[in-house]
Amino acid sequence: DTEVTQTPKHLVMGMTNKKSLKCEQHMGHRAMYWYKQKAKKPPELMFVYSYEKLSINESVPSRFSPECPNSSLLNLHLHALQPEDSALYLCASSQSGRAFSDTQYFGPGTRLTVL
Amino acid sequence: GEDVEQSLFLSVREGDSSVINCTYTDSSSTYLYWYKQEPGAGLQLLTYIFSNMDMKQDQRLTVLLNKKDKHLSLRIADTQTGDSAIYFCAEREGNTGKLIFGQGTTLQVKP
Repeated sequence: DTEVTQTPKHLVMGMTNKKSLKCEQHMGHRAMYWYKQKAKKPPELMFVYSYEKLSINESVPSRFSPECPNSSLLNLHLHALQPEDSALYLCASSQSGRAFSDTQYFGPGTRLTVL
Repeated sequence: GEDVEQSLFLSVREGDSSVINCTYTDSSSTYLYWYKQEPGAGLQLLTYIFSNMDMKQDQRLTVLLNKKDKHLSLRIADTQTGDSAIYFCAEREGNTGKLIFGQGTTLQVKP
C-alpha cells in the first residue's frame, strides 16, 4: 500500500480566513513533504519533515505554517493568504527519515482557491 | 542549479507506442523517476531507474537511460486513452537528494 491521503479535496477561502490542510499516511514513512503546484507547472518544494521535525523550509512566507503532530500526520495551516497562493497543494512521504533518501509517494492534492 | 528538460507536448493514436524524452544535467544523480499526473489529480509514481542501469521494463512501460548523454526516455507500448496525462521526469539530485522536476510532457492520445 503506497497511499497518501489528503483532505479536503477542494478548499475556497477568503484572504482573512484561517484554514488547514491535512495529509495522512499509514506506510510507516518517516519523512513528509509539502509541495505547491501551479497549473501546467511542476511541483515546488515548500517544507520537509524528518522524524516529525521540520528539516527544510524553502523560504516559504509565514502565512503558511506546517505542523507534524505525529509520524502519520502532516498539517498545513493557512492564514491571511493572497490570491496568488491559489494552487494545488501536494503532500508526499518517503520511507527513510533522512529527507530525500528514498522514493517519494504523493497524495491526490488539495485544490486551494483564495478569493 | 541542476536542470531537467522535457518536450511539452506529444500526440499519438491509440494503439501506437509513445516515447517521452527527458534530459538532465546532474551527473551525480542517483535515481530518475517518471510520475504521471491526470487532470485534477496528484502525482502517481509510474516507475524509476537507478543510475547504474540502462533499461527497466515494467509491463507496458520501458525506461531507457543513456548516462553518457544524460538522456532518459519512457516508452509506453499500446498507448490507451487512459494514458492521456502529464508525465513528469524527475532526477534525485546527487548532493541533496531533492527531486528536480522537468516541466512535464502532456500526452494526448487520440482514438
